[in-house]
Amino acid sequence: EAGVTQFPSHSVIEKGQTVTLRCDPISGHDNLYWYRRVMGKEIKFLLHFVKESKQDESGMPNNRFLAERTGGTYSTLKVQPAELEDSGVYFCASSRQTGRYEQYFGPGTRLTVT
Amino acid sequence: KNQVEQSPQSLIILEGKNCTLQCNYTVSPFSNLRWYKQDTGRGPVSLTIMTFSENTKSNGRYTATLDADTKQSSLHITASQLSDSASYICVVSPAYGGATNKLIFGTGTLLAVQP
Repeated sequence: EAGVTQFPSHSVIEKGQTVTLRCDPISGHDNLYWYRRVMGKEIKFLLHFVKESKQDESGMPNNRFLAERTGGTYSTLKVQPAELEDSGVYFCASSRQTGRYEQYFGPGTRLTVT
Repeated sequence: KNQVEQSPQSLIILEGKNCTLQCNYTVSPFSNLRWYKQDTGRGPVSLTIMTFSENTKSNGRYTATLDADTKQSSLHITASQLSDSASYICVVSPAYGGATNKLIFGTGTLLAVQP
Protein backbone atom coordinates (compact mmCIF):
# COMPACT_ATOMS: atom_id res chain seq x y z
CA GLU A 1 0.00 0.00 0.00
CA ALA A 2 1.50 3.32 -1.08
CA GLY A 3 1.81 5.94 1.63
CA VAL A 4 0.74 9.55 1.64
CA THR A 5 2.62 11.50 -1.01
CA GLN A 6 3.17 15.23 -1.26
CA PHE A 7 4.40 17.42 -4.07
CA PRO A 8 6.65 19.31 -4.31
CA SER A 9 9.10 18.35 -1.58
CA HIS A 10 10.55 21.86 -1.57
CA SER A 11 9.35 25.18 -2.92
CA VAL A 12 11.06 28.54 -2.83
CA ILE A 13 8.97 31.52 -3.91
CA GLU A 14 9.04 35.27 -3.54
CA LYS A 15 6.68 37.22 -1.36
CA GLY A 16 3.50 37.97 -3.26
CA GLN A 17 3.68 34.90 -5.49
CA THR A 18 1.29 31.98 -5.50
CA VAL A 19 2.13 28.40 -4.58
CA THR A 20 0.02 25.27 -4.75
CA LEU A 21 0.86 22.21 -2.68
CA ARG A 22 -0.56 18.81 -3.51
CA CYS A 23 -1.34 15.81 -1.32
CA ASP A 24 -2.29 12.32 -2.44
CA PRO A 25 -3.72 10.33 0.48
CA ILE A 26 -3.62 6.58 0.92
CA SER A 27 -6.16 4.97 -1.40
CA GLY A 28 -9.49 4.44 0.33
CA HIS A 29 -8.88 7.02 3.05
CA ASP A 30 -11.83 9.38 3.19
CA ASN A 31 -10.22 11.63 5.80
CA LEU A 32 -7.49 14.04 4.78
CA TYR A 33 -5.78 16.57 7.02
CA TRP A 34 -3.40 19.47 6.48
CA TYR A 35 -0.92 20.56 9.16
CA ARG A 36 1.88 23.11 9.25
CA ARG A 37 5.07 23.56 11.25
CA VAL A 38 6.68 26.97 11.24
CA MET A 39 10.28 27.39 12.37
CA GLY A 40 10.80 26.54 16.01
CA LYS A 41 7.14 25.87 16.69
CA GLU A 42 4.99 22.79 17.07
CA ILE A 43 3.02 21.23 14.22
CA LYS A 44 -0.41 22.85 14.01
CA PHE A 45 -3.68 21.67 12.51
CA LEU A 46 -5.00 23.56 9.49
CA LEU A 47 -8.05 21.67 8.26
CA HIS A 48 -9.79 18.33 7.84
CA PHE A 49 -11.64 16.95 4.82
CA VAL A 50 -14.10 14.08 4.83
CA LYS A 51 -14.20 13.05 1.21
CA GLU A 52 -14.65 16.36 -0.64
CA SER A 53 -16.26 18.25 2.27
CA LYS A 54 -14.44 20.48 4.73
CA GLN A 55 -15.22 19.04 8.18
CA ASP A 56 -13.12 21.48 10.18
CA GLU A 57 -11.13 24.43 8.85
CA SER A 58 -10.65 26.18 12.18
CA GLY A 59 -6.86 26.15 11.84
CA MET A 60 -6.61 27.99 8.53
CA PRO A 61 -4.66 31.17 9.30
CA ASN A 62 -6.40 33.57 6.91
CA ASN A 63 -8.15 33.87 3.57
CA ARG A 64 -4.88 33.71 1.65
CA PHE A 65 -5.05 29.95 2.15
CA LEU A 66 -7.45 27.88 0.05
CA ALA A 67 -7.75 24.11 0.32
CA GLU A 68 -9.67 21.94 -2.09
CA ARG A 69 -10.36 18.25 -2.51
CA THR A 70 -12.36 17.88 -5.67
CA GLY A 71 -13.73 14.38 -6.14
CA GLY A 72 -12.62 13.34 -2.70
CA THR A 73 -9.23 12.05 -3.82
CA TYR A 74 -6.15 14.28 -3.83
CA SER A 75 -6.11 17.69 -2.18
CA THR A 76 -4.43 20.98 -2.98
CA LEU A 77 -3.49 23.83 -0.66
CA LYS A 78 -2.99 27.15 -2.39
CA VAL A 79 -1.33 30.15 -0.79
CA GLN A 80 -2.05 33.42 -2.59
CA PRO A 81 -0.34 35.82 -2.17
CA ALA A 82 2.42 34.25 -0.09
CA GLU A 83 3.89 36.18 2.85
CA LEU A 84 7.19 35.65 4.68
CA GLU A 85 5.43 34.15 7.71
CA ASP A 86 3.97 31.37 5.54
CA SER A 87 7.39 29.70 5.41
CA GLY A 88 7.43 26.31 7.07
CA VAL A 89 6.79 22.64 6.46
CA TYR A 90 3.30 21.65 5.35
CA PHE A 91 2.24 18.11 6.19
CA CYS A 92 -0.67 16.16 4.87
CA ALA A 93 -2.13 13.13 6.64
CA SER A 94 -4.92 10.69 5.90
CA SER A 95 -6.95 8.17 7.84
CA ARG A 96 -9.56 5.57 6.99
CA GLN A 97 -11.81 6.59 9.84
CA THR A 98 -11.93 9.37 12.38
CA GLY A 99 -11.49 9.37 16.15
CA ARG A 100 -8.75 7.18 17.59
CA TYR A 101 -7.71 5.83 14.21
CA GLU A 102 -4.19 6.37 13.06
CA GLN A 103 -3.37 9.31 10.85
CA TYR A 104 -0.64 8.53 8.31
CA PHE A 105 1.57 11.47 7.47
CA GLY A 106 3.28 12.39 4.24
CA PRO A 107 6.90 13.59 4.12
CA GLY A 108 5.87 17.24 4.00
CA THR A 109 6.49 20.15 1.64
CA ARG A 110 9.08 22.67 2.79
CA LEU A 111 7.94 26.13 1.70
CA THR A 112 10.33 29.06 1.80
CA VAL A 113 9.01 32.54 1.06
CA THR A 114 11.75 35.11 0.41
CA LYS B 1 1.15 28.58 26.65
CA ASN B 2 1.05 25.41 24.58
CA GLN B 3 -1.59 22.88 25.56
CA VAL B 4 0.95 20.04 25.24
CA GLU B 5 4.33 20.50 26.93
CA GLN B 6 7.22 18.08 26.60
CA SER B 7 10.47 17.59 28.49
CA PRO B 8 13.31 17.49 28.06
CA GLN B 9 13.66 19.52 24.87
CA SER B 10 16.65 17.42 23.90
CA LEU B 11 18.44 14.37 25.22
CA ILE B 12 21.66 12.52 24.43
CA ILE B 13 22.08 8.92 25.53
CA LEU B 14 24.48 6.08 24.78
CA GLU B 15 23.41 3.15 22.63
CA GLY B 16 21.88 0.39 24.70
CA LYS B 17 20.67 2.68 27.48
CA ASN B 18 17.05 3.33 28.42
CA CYS B 19 15.35 6.71 28.53
CA THR B 20 12.01 8.26 29.45
CA LEU B 21 10.40 11.25 27.80
CA GLN B 22 7.70 13.30 29.51
CA CYS B 23 4.51 14.96 28.31
CA ASN B 24 2.13 17.20 30.26
CA TYR B 25 -1.09 18.37 28.68
CA THR B 26 -4.00 20.64 29.53
CA VAL B 27 -6.36 19.53 26.73
CA SER B 28 -9.62 18.52 28.41
CA PRO B 29 -11.63 16.54 27.75
CA PHE B 30 -9.49 14.49 25.42
CA SER B 31 -10.23 11.55 23.19
CA ASN B 32 -6.82 9.99 22.85
CA LEU B 33 -3.11 10.62 23.34
CA ARG B 34 -0.50 9.60 20.80
CA TRP B 35 3.25 9.42 20.59
CA TYR B 36 4.87 9.97 17.21
CA LYS B 37 8.45 9.51 16.02
CA GLN B 38 9.71 11.95 13.41
CA ASP B 39 12.98 11.36 11.61
CA THR B 40 14.72 14.35 10.05
CA GLY B 41 13.08 15.27 6.74
CA ARG B 42 10.25 12.79 7.17
CA GLY B 43 6.66 12.95 8.35
CA PRO B 44 5.66 11.82 11.85
CA VAL B 45 5.07 8.08 12.33
CA SER B 46 2.69 6.81 14.99
CA LEU B 47 4.18 4.75 17.82
CA THR B 48 1.24 4.40 20.22
CA ILE B 49 -2.35 5.57 20.58
CA MET B 50 -4.07 5.47 23.99
CA THR B 51 -7.63 6.41 24.87
CA PHE B 52 -8.38 8.16 28.15
CA SER B 53 -9.26 4.80 29.75
CA GLU B 54 -5.93 3.14 28.91
CA ASN B 55 -2.85 3.67 31.07
CA THR B 56 -0.18 1.81 29.14
CA LYS B 57 0.52 0.76 25.58
CA SER B 58 3.60 -0.95 24.15
CA ASN B 59 5.06 -1.13 20.68
CA GLY B 60 8.25 -3.17 20.69
CA ARG B 61 10.87 -1.31 22.68
CA TYR B 62 8.54 1.67 23.13
CA THR B 63 6.16 1.80 26.10
CA ALA B 64 3.81 4.72 26.68
CA THR B 65 2.01 5.40 29.95
CA LEU B 66 -0.90 7.71 30.64
CA ASP B 67 -2.21 9.20 33.87
CA ALA B 68 -5.42 11.02 32.95
CA ASP B 69 -5.87 12.30 36.51
CA THR B 70 -2.59 14.23 36.50
CA LYS B 71 -2.68 14.80 32.72
CA GLN B 72 0.75 13.28 32.23
CA SER B 73 2.16 10.77 29.80
CA SER B 74 5.58 9.27 29.34
CA LEU B 75 7.35 7.35 26.60
CA HIS B 76 9.96 4.84 27.72
CA ILE B 77 12.50 3.55 25.24
CA THR B 78 14.32 0.36 26.18
CA ALA B 79 17.76 -0.70 24.95
CA SER B 80 18.15 2.29 22.65
CA GLN B 81 19.53 1.90 19.14
CA LEU B 82 21.20 4.41 16.85
CA SER B 83 18.06 4.37 14.70
CA ASP B 84 16.07 5.73 17.65
CA SER B 85 17.68 9.13 17.05
CA ALA B 86 14.72 11.32 16.10
CA SER B 87 12.18 13.79 17.46
CA TYR B 88 9.48 12.25 19.66
CA ILE B 89 6.23 14.14 19.71
CA CYS B 90 3.35 13.87 22.17
CA VAL B 91 -0.02 14.55 20.52
CA VAL B 92 -3.46 14.93 22.10
CA SER B 93 -6.80 14.71 20.32
CA PRO B 94 -9.58 16.76 21.95
CA ALA B 95 -13.04 15.32 22.64
CA TYR B 96 -15.18 18.42 22.42
CA GLY B 97 -17.54 19.64 19.74
CA GLY B 98 -16.39 18.89 16.23
CA ALA B 99 -12.75 18.89 17.17
CA THR B 100 -12.40 15.19 17.83
CA ASN B 101 -10.19 14.66 14.82
CA LYS B 102 -7.90 17.62 15.35
CA LEU B 103 -4.46 16.73 16.70
CA ILE B 104 -2.71 19.09 19.12
CA PHE B 105 1.05 18.61 19.00
CA GLY B 106 3.78 19.19 21.53
CA THR B 107 7.08 20.68 20.40
CA GLY B 108 8.84 17.35 20.72
CA THR B 109 11.91 15.94 22.42
CA LEU B 110 14.96 15.60 20.19
CA LEU B 111 16.73 12.35 21.06
CA ALA B 112 20.27 11.59 19.96
CA VAL B 113 21.62 8.08 20.53
CA GLN B 114 25.40 7.90 20.41
CA PRO B 115 27.55 4.80 19.87
